[in-house]
Amino acid sequence: GQQLNQSPQSMFIQEGEDVSMNCTSSSIFNTWLWYKQEPGEGPVLLIALYKAGELTSNGRLTAQFGITRKDSFLNISASIPSDVGIYFCAGAGGSEKLVFGKGTKLTVNP
Amino acid sequence: GAGVSQSPRYKVAKRGQDVALRCDPISGHVSLFWYQQALGQGPEFLTYFQNEAQLDKSGLPSDRFFAERPEGSVSTLKIQRTQQEDSAVYLCASSLSQGRWGTEAFFGQGTRLTVV
Repeated sequence: GQQLNQSPQSMFIQEGEDVSMNCTSSSIFNTWLWYKQEPGEGPVLLIALYKAGELTSNGRLTAQFGITRKDSFLNISASIPSDVGIYFCAGAGGSEKLVFGKGTKLTVNP
Repeated sequence: GAGVSQSPRYKVAKRGQDVALRCDPISGHVSLFWYQQALGQGPEFLTYFQNEAQLDKSGLPSDRFFAERPEGSVSTLKIQRTQQEDSAVYLCASSLSQGRWGTEAFFGQGTRLTVV
């Protein structure tokens, strides 16, 4: 099935560092969402974006909806050990069905 | 309950066995989704309900997969004659389905299906 191009696949960082990951698509989306998934759990919604160019923050997380509507990025500032997990981008077009990226696995070394 | 509840959490099935996976959505959520997540991959859409109506089943991989939501609340995903390639985590999600909030899906913990 269709999936978004998400990069990087994995990141190994030191506690306190900032992190940036992004997602691109060949199709236009009306909504971009970012989820975090921990082992044995379902994805948890972090941020939702609804308008091209929109920049939204949630604590140390900041995400933007690209102007072309074909991309989005997520930044995490001052990472902490509990940020460890897999981060997924997801896009929605004309329906509520979500298309997901393959995920970015984040490891934070204390 | 406060979140999406799925049962069982783990299921081991012998190849050829039928299985049924249950999802209890968040109370008041109109939309319900099933996704399949293979190891190391992102979730992939299977099917979508709005109340009891199945509006999209384009992601179901074969006619062995069947989903229902007869009263617009609890949903069951049934897989007949399971095969090894059906091994995955099956995630259920629900959303309010009101304008922009419709795409904010909240996920359950998933059912990990292993076919041996």
